[in-house]
Amino acid sequence: DAGVIQSPRHEVTEMGQEVTLRCKPISGHDYLFWYRQTMMRGLELLIYFNNNVPIDDSGMPEDRFSAKMPNASFSTLKIQPSEPRDSAVYFCASSLDPGQGGTGELFFGEGSRLTVL
Amino acid sequence: GENVEQHPSTLSVQEGDSAVIKCTYSDSASNYFPWYKQELGKRPQLIIDIRSNVGEKKDQRIAVTLNKTAKHFSLHITETQPEDSAVYFCAAPMTTDSWGKLQFGAGTQVVVTP
Repeated sequence: DAGVIQSPRHEVTEMGQEVTLRCKPISGHDYLFWYRQTMMRGLELLIYFNNNVPIDDSGMPEDRFSAKMPNASFSTLKIQPSEPRDSAVYFCASSLDPGQGGTGELFFGEGSRLTVL
Repeated sequence: GENVEQHPSTLSVQEGDSAVIKCTYSDSASNYFPWYKQELGKRPQLIIDIRSNVGEKKDQRIAVTLNKTAKHFSLHITETQPEDSAVYFCAAPMTTDSWGKLQFGAGTQVVVTP
């Protein structure tokens, strides 16, 4: 397996523009997580899905952020409108439930570095 | 919810020496404690984890110890090498029924000097 695949790797946009980040989890994994990493706040969990269903979105900073998982192999994180304070590295991670034979390890993608000017 | 504190924030060691990073957590019901390593510009990757039914776990030059009474766990790296230079994050589940919903520590920048 190629691992968790994220796109784009880098995105530079202007304030007010819509940003869509994409993630393809490892095949067979039933959990998908979106994390955000900044120097000030570290690694923060934004939202996670189990079997394509959003379980907890309490980490989503505000209504400008939304995430979807239309099927087991694809998820998006959308920011509309974007603001400079959204600049960060956004990581997608997938995992297999320990009850289903997994170990609990989160497999992170390479991340999407977002810069909002 | 869980609160994880990690110390120190930076750690500089001579090659060959040992490095120790300590984390404390607040929820006594927490039962899973992973450590992730993140090299510059790369993704975090799990290097070792420990569950609450054991007090210590080793994997070659790295080990993790857990003290449930004091609610802290530590990462030990022996015989450090330049490739150990990275940021290390400890974590604990935010709630006991959500193993993947992790609260990460702030990270420790480890620099191994030759």
